[in-house]
Amino acid sequence: EAQVTQNPRYLITVTGKKLTVTCSQNMNHEYMSWYRQDPGLGLRQIYYSMNVEVTDKGDVPEGYKVSRKEKRNFPLILESPSPNQTSLYFCASKKDRTSSYEQYFGPGTRLTVT
Amino acid sequence: SQQGEEDPQALSIQEGENATMNCSYKTSINNLQWYRQNSGRGLVHLILIRSNEREKHSGRLRVTLDTSKKSSSLLITASRAADTASYFCATDLNRDDKIIFGKGTRLHILP
Repeated sequence: EAQVTQNPRYLITVTGKKLTVTCSQNMNHEYMSWYRQDPGLGLRQIYYSMNVEVTDKGDVPEGYKVSRKEKRNFPLILESPSPNQTSLYFCASKKDRTSSYEQYFGPGTRLTVT
Repeated sequence: SQQGEEDPQALSIQEGENATMNCSYKTSINNLQWYRQNSGRGLVHLILIRSNEREKHSGRLRVTLDTSKKSSSLLITASRAADTASYFCATDLNRDDKIIFGKGTRLHILP
């Protein structure tokens, strides 16, 4: 089954403790992306990647890192989480950067930073 | 900054009626997509319309795009209880490869 998976689905952590949220897709997609969703703000793009070893900042990259060493994986790293990063996070992928393809979303990771 | 802005923010209609949601954006786009999200879950793609298209249909969904007005509308005909969800538009910008989402319209179908 074609899908985007994220782990963990729920995470409660403390300020400053480094964490990684994994994202993997099995559709051989070139484009992958991370979003955060906050009440009243919709989804905001954090980082995106057009292919292996190519990553770019979205609208809200501060406090986050990503890497794209393999095509299927796009982990989101919070080096020193803070309470304002408490949010619902979604990973997504699409076939490539051209204009004809929709995104497939993972189930989301609900992160709470205390 | 937000590119897409949906209107209205919330909409309640009776089952069987049509629901119309609008999306406005600011800069030039490659395509515009509509997504549905059931409470707290992942987003499901509904329909994609390219910048050179004016209208697309998919089942009970009809999407229009007016690039001169930088706006799009999503029409759901003969609404059902299962259509209760939040709906988002997303624009694929042609100045870079970012994708910008609006804040969404919460649709509630009344029985």
